[in-house]
Amino acid sequence: GQQVMQIPQYQHVQEGEDFTTYCNSSTTLSNIQWYKQRPGGHPVFLIQLVKSGEVKKQKRLTFQFGEAKKNSSLHITATQTTDVGTYFCAGPAGGGADGLTFGKGTHLIIQP
Amino acid sequence: KAGVTQTPRYLIKTRGQQVTLSCSPISGHRSVSWYQQTPGQGLQFLFEYFSETQRNKGNFPGRFSGRQFSNSRSEMNVSTLELGDSALYLCASSLSHGLGNTIYFGEGSWLTVV
Repeated sequence: GQQVMQIPQYQHVQEGEDFTTYCNSSTTLSNIQWYKQRPGGHPVFLIQLVKSGEVKKQKRLTFQFGEAKKNSSLHITATQTTDVGTYFCAGPAGGGADGLTFGKGTHLIIQP
Repeated sequence: KAGVTQTPRYLIKTRGQQVTLSCSPISGHRSVSWYQQTPGQGLQFLFEYFSETQRNKGNFPGRFSGRQFSNSRSEMNVSTLELGDSALYLCASSLSHGLGNTIYFGEGSWLTVV
């Protein structure tokens, strides 16, 4: 079945440094979604990318969808303590079915 | 507008028992999906319901089942609980089914099997 791999698993940064997480799929994706989960919380939708090569920005967050629609990245500029959490990418489960296949997530730890 | 509501939030069950978890979607949302989250396996898709019909099911044994009612509320059931079923069970709702619909997660039900 389809697999979505995400790296790194953990990322420690100093507050103010940049952060990037990468997502790779074994198959071409029709779209990719990104979620953030705070410690003890539930996943919260951040954004959806649909077009090949698409780039979207949300304040300090930049999301990219690869040209081949098999990879994606999330970049955070000048991290803040509020950015702490786990960032997940997710693609359609595949086979025309609904449901999402999630990556294992990147845990962002920020040291003040 | 109220979010996705899941009950109970926390529960402890014994191996062999069964459990039923409930989910009330956001008002107006007709699609409900369920996910299991564990430290080892991450977030895994269980099943999705739309208009009281199960549209898709993830790779879980038949002990995991669910249903959706006419008011879009959903329940999932796990029978003959195993230790490995300990997890956070997340319900998510969206306006409709299909790709491109934003899904909104509830806070989850923490299940511990002892």
